[in-house]
Amino acid sequence: DAKTTQPNSMESNEEEPVHLPCNHSTISGTDYIHWYRQLPSQGPEYVIHGLTSNVNNRMASLAIAEDRKSSTLILHRATLRDAAVYYCILRGPQGAQKLVFGQGTRLTINP
Amino acid sequence: DTEVTQTPKHLVMGMTNKKSLKCEQHMGHRAMYWYKQKAKKPPELMFVYSYEKLSINESVPSRFSPECPNSSLLNLHLHALQPEDSALYLCASSQIEGAFSEQYFGPGTRLTVT
Repeated sequence: DAKTTQPNSMESNEEEPVHLPCNHSTISGTDYIHWYRQLPSQGPEYVIHGLTSNVNNRMASLAIAEDRKSSTLILHRATLRDAAVYYCILRGPQGAQKLVFGQGTRLTINP
Repeated sequence: DTEVTQTPKHLVMGMTNKKSLKCEQHMGHRAMYWYKQKAKKPPELMFVYSYEKLSINESVPSRFSPECPNSSLLNLHLHALQPEDSALYLCASSQIEGAFSEQYFGPGTRLTVT
C-alpha cells in the first residue's frame, strides 16, 4: 500500500479554518484519497474522499494537488467538536477492502 | 439508520474465559470488518467478511474466531486470550468493498484481559 505522511499534531482556534496536510508521493493513478477522523472515545468516522478533483461535503473540503502527491483537508470553521485524530488513507483497487490507518494528525481546537 | 452497534461496551475477562463480542448493522451493508486498536495507536484490520464469507484474515491468532451468522450480524469469539490482547475492538460495515466505499464504525468494545 502507498504510504501517507501527516504531521503528528496541529492546533487551531475555534471558528477559524484548519488546513490538515497529507503527503502521498508514491500514490498510484487508481488510488483514492480518503480522510477519516476519530473523536475521543469513539470509532473512526468517514469525512471525505476524492480521486483527482477537489471535493466538498457538509463536513469538509478536500484539496488535491495537481500531481496528486499531496492533499489538504480543510475544515472551514473549526468547532470544539472537531478535536480529533485525522487519518489520511490511500485506497486502491488492490486491497480496496482494507483501511490501512497511519498515525494520523491529532487536532486540538482552542476555545 | 446509519448506526453500527457493538455490545458489550466494556468487557473484562480472564485468560481462561470464553466470551463473544457482537456487532450489528441494519444498513443493508454486505461487507463487515473487525479492527483492533491499542491505546494511542491507529486501528489495525483483523478480519473482513464479504457476503457473509470470510475474505480477509490478517494473520490473526486463532484465539480470535470471527463469525458472520447473517448479513446484519458479526461476532468475534474470544478464547484463551493474553493480557496483550487488551484493546478497543472496533466493528465496521460498508456497502460491498471498493476503493471508494465508506466504512461506518461502531463505538467499539473495550476489552481488558486479566
